[in-house]
Parts: sequence; C-alpha cells; structure tokens
Amino acid sequence: AQSVSQHNHHVILSEAASLELGCNYSYGGTVNLFWYVQYPGQHLQLLLKYFSGDPLVKGIKGFEAEFIKSKFSFNLRKPSVQWSDTAEYFCAVNFMEYGNKLVFGAGTILRVKS
Amino acid sequence: DGGITQSPKYLFRKEGQNVTLSCEQNLNHDAMYWYRQDPGQGLRLIYYSQIVNDFQKGDIAEGYSVSREKKESFPLTVTSAQKNPTAFYLCASSGTSGDFPTDTQYFGPGTRLTVL
Repeated sequence: AQSVSQHNHHVILSEAASLELGCNYSYGGTVNLFWYVQYPGQHLQLLLKYFSGDPLVKGIKGFEAEFIKSKFSFNLRKPSVQWSDTAEYFCAVNFMEYGNKLVFGAGTILRVKS
Repeated sequence: DGGITQSPKYLFRKEGQNVTLSCEQNLNHDAMYWYRQDPGQGLRLIYYSQIVNDFQKGDIAEGYSVSREKKESFPLTVTSAQKNPTAFYLCASSGTSGDFPTDTQYFGPGTRLTVL
C-alpha cells in the first residue's frame, strides 16, 4: 500500500533557527506532492505544492520544499522560523496511478519558542 | 465569501446512535472528500466523490455512509457500526482536471465528534 512517512512527530525550535521537516513516500511512479499546515484552532491550509517542473518549490510565509525523485522525498524547509510558525505540518502525496488518492503523513507538530 | 462549511463544530452522541455531519461548499468544485483525523495518524480518507450521484470508498469506509445528491453538499453519516467513532472529521473539495481531481484540496474547519 502507498504510504507517506514524516520522520519527526514533535519538533521544538527556538526563533530564528532553521527548519527542515522530512517527508518520504513509498512509491516510484508519478506523484503530486503537498505540504499542508494546521495552525492552532484554524483550518488545514495549503503551504505549497509540486506537480511538475522546478523541483524546488516556494510556498507561503517563506517556506520551500525540494522534490528529490531518486530519494522519494519532499522535505520542507524554512531558513528562520518565527513563533507564529507553531503548528502541525502534514505532507501529502497524490499517487497518480493508484486512483489519485491523497495520502497523508502522520504530521509533525512544530513548537517555536520565543 | 467562498469556502467550505462544516456543521456543527462540536457534536456529542450516545453510543449506538447514527449521526450525520454536514459539509457544504460554494467553490463550484466537482470533487469532495471526507477524512478522519486522529492524533499521530494524520488524515485518513473515508469516502470521496468525483461527481454528483457518485462516490467511492476510501481507506477506512467501514461504519460510514455518504450521499452526493447535490454538487455543493456531501454529508457523512457515522453509523452505530463504526467501532471507534470519536474523532475529528474534515471535509475537503477540489476542482477537476482530466478524469480525476488532481488539483489542490481545500479543507473545511472540521467537526469534532465525541461518542459517549
């Protein structure tokens, strides 16, 4: 079965620290890749997405992610986090050849200390 | 004001009762989805619908049922057969591209169901 793995369930950082959240998926075919964020008490919202083209994708609020096809990875990065980045982050993969279902990782809870 | 609405925000039911969660969208999206979110497990797909009057089971459909009589509405019924119904339920919708929706999914605010 297709699966998505997020390596860290909880991450605690100080403000201005750099962030990298890992995401790997279990399949080598055509995929669309997403990072969603859920701020406390708010809707799940799209951070960034990759469908094709430049594997380095820039999203909102200074986030970016790099698709490395050979590693089946789509890691999320931010050079300098802020307290307001405290949230839960979900990686999601659309496995195009298996019914186009969106499969989510378990999520990473990020807490940024001010 | 476009978006997805889910009601109610919090719902309490006694064990053995069926309960229906509402999801409405005014984004003119063809596809709609229901997910269940549990701590440490991410979101798991319950049911999805690509067009009106059609829907498919997701990964954890047992104990749930849906209908799609109108494009803008996709209600989810949690039946008494669902063994562990207490969870946070999220509805989403997306536009279509080709034969199957591949565009971005947009999410509603969710309904937290507690079965006592």
